[in-house]
Amino acid sequence: DMKVTQMPRYLIKRMGENVLLECGQDMSHETMYWYRQDPGLGLQLIYISYDVDSNSEGDIPKGYRVSRKKREHFSLILDSAKTNQTSVYFCASSSLPGKEVFFGKGTRLTVV
Amino acid sequence: GEQVEQRPPHLSVPEGDSAVIICTYTDSATAYFYWYKQEPGAGLQLLMSVFSNVDRKEEQGLTVLLNKKDKQLSLNLTAAHPGDSAVYFCAVSAVTGNYKYVFGAGTRLKVIA
Repeated sequence: DMKVTQMPRYLIKRMGENVLLECGQDMSHETMYWYRQDPGLGLQLIYISYDVDSNSEGDIPKGYRVSRKKREHFSLILDSAKTNQTSVYFCASSSLPGKEVFFGKGTRLTVV
Repeated sequence: GEQVEQRPPHLSVPEGDSAVIICTYTDSATAYFYWYKQEPGAGLQLLMSVFSNVDRKEEQGLTVLLNKKDKQLSLNLTAAHPGDSAVYFCAVSAVTGNYKYVFGAGTRLKVIA
């Protein structure tokens, strides 16, 4: 069963706290992504990972970092979360860059 | 870089009618085209994918048309039903550069019973 799994689904953090969002995929996809989705702004690419330890900034990387130590696992880290990072975060994967992208169900992060 | 304009942003149709969503892209090197459906509280579900050598693709009540001359991609839901109510996104990617996916802004479709 092809799946992208995100944990947690919902998260509330205080401003200044560190946040770790986890993502896993069972399709052995090389490429993984982190997006955020905000009303009126659509999907914005934060980071893309082409394989283990091969990560590139997307369109809005500021305030985020990522870690990919295993092909099936991709983490998004917010060091010292800010209120403007309140959003829904989606992890996704594809076999190769540009090919069909499969999405997780999202993590709704609220920073108060 | 590539830009994608999606219209309309909102669409209401009676049950049984067709719904058409159109995306216009700018980069002629764009080669892969996708349509996604997002239901409330869920991730994006891939509906259809089309490569640039295909002008028309039909699957399960959905028709995708690709007009490369006008750089336009459309999704036609024939005989829409309330279960089709969702937000629809187009996405495109090129075969050169970093193959980055570029999404349209989305169309919120409401099918009225």
